[in-house]
Amino acid sequence: SQQGEEDPQALSIQEGENATMNCSYKTSINNLQWYRQNSGRGLVHLILIRSNEREKHSGRLRVTLDTSKKSSSLLITASRAADTASYFCATVRSMDTGRRALTFGSGTRLQVQP
Amino acid sequence: SQTIHQWPATLVQPVGSPLSLECTVEGTSNPNLYWYRQAAGRGLQLLFYSVGIGQISSEVPQNLSASRPQDRQFILSSKKLLLSDSGFYLCACRVPGGVGQPQHFGDGTRLSIL
Repeated sequence: SQQGEEDPQALSIQEGENATMNCSYKTSINNLQWYRQNSGRGLVHLILIRSNEREKHSGRLRVTLDTSKKSSSLLITASRAADTASYFCATVRSMDTGRRALTFGSGTRLQVQP
Repeated sequence: SQTIHQWPATLVQPVGSPLSLECTVEGTSNPNLYWYRQAAGRGLQLLFYSVGIGQISSEVPQNLSASRPQDRQFILSSKKLLLSDSGFYLCACRVPGGVGQPQHFGDGTRLSIL
């Protein structure tokens, strides 16, 4: 099963409003990452929060992490139409080979209406 | 910074035909390389990853194979495509070392099997 799962699956808001997306995960982590994907494009890394951090900011992005609840949230403030995209959280897991890989959730599709 | 090139951007192939998708990386040496498949509206499924030339690990049994003939070249192949191979294929790279390194993605190949 997915290590990270986002909710809601879809979110539609008006320009200028804030958008909040949540992510839950199952096992302990070193860090949690958020990515953005425009339709038909690759993923772009937005922000990484380490397990010993509770909150992190980058421009209009604010990420929180609650390791006791195994959850994270991504807040986009003062949203713009250009923020329309899918947003994924990702956590690192160990594979059978001992290597590590990112596991992505199913994403939240954000639609910002102009 | 790393740049990932994927081609072709779109591909339509008949069932039973062979496949070769290519991914090349610029801006880094000895990267970790990844092939993902993304179904419509879903998250990413890791197919293959490579930590060096000729070193390929597979995450799931499937009809596809991968090869890494050069340090910055990663190829996804199939001898006979199935309908279930349709999807959006993404190549990603990661600079090794440290748990906080993000993955960088190409713009993907949309593969439709008829």
